[in-house]
Amino acid sequence: NAGVTQTPKFQVLKTGQSMTLQCAQDMNHEYMSWYRQDPGMGLRLIHYSVGAGITDQGEVPNGYNVSRSTTEDFPLRLLSAAPSQTSVYFCASSYSLGQPNGGELFFGEGSRLTVL
Amino acid sequence: AQSVSQHNHHVILSEAASLELGCNYSYGGTVNLFWYVQYPGQHLQLLLKYFSGDPLVKGIKGFEAEFIKSKFSFNLRKPSVQWSDTAEYFCAVSSSNTGKLIFGQGTTLQVKP
Repeated sequence: NAGVTQTPKFQVLKTGQSMTLQCAQDMNHEYMSWYRQDPGMGLRLIHYSVGAGITDQGEVPNGYNVSRSTTEDFPLRLLSAAPSQTSVYFCASSYSLGQPNGGELFFGEGSRLTVL
Repeated sequence: AQSVSQHNHHVILSEAASLELGCNYSYGGTVNLFWYVQYPGQHLQLLLKYFSGDPLVKGIKGFEAEFIKSKFSFNLRKPSVQWSDTAEYFCAVSSSNTGKLIFGQGTTLQVKP
């Protein structure tokens, strides 16, 4: 099983550049999300989706866009990169957050982004 | 707004000591509660979760957590820690109303052999 696949694993950008972090899952999960992890701040939710065609903002959405055209894919777009967006980004998916047999997040391996 | 607070940022224990990590959340509705662990160089994995029923839940590796609704708390415990428990621990809360999962700031646990 591939699980949750994120690409790229590492990326260096210059201020003002744009890029897309790709995320794909093969588990038919309804819920997909993007988090950023920064030292001392835990994981902060950027955007999330509860199904194809449905997205919503998390705690820190500014500077990021998402779309969910298929169940499998949930790309994260940085529109104009800033040094404050230097972080490790994790994509995560779940069968269903609200059900007892769901709730467990499956994480990708992370994408380390540096903005100069 | 939904939020999660972990009181201890960095905990240092000796092997065999008991562990309790605090977690409080802010949300007025029905919540589901989780503890995740991140070992060095790895991504997060689920330790345990609470949806309903017995407020004392047991997870993997001897961890347990107690949901106290009146205190909006979900503290993680382990009677005797091992060096291999050195990791970062995250409390998380989801609600059926908001449909999103929010994490606390994390607690770094260092266990000295």
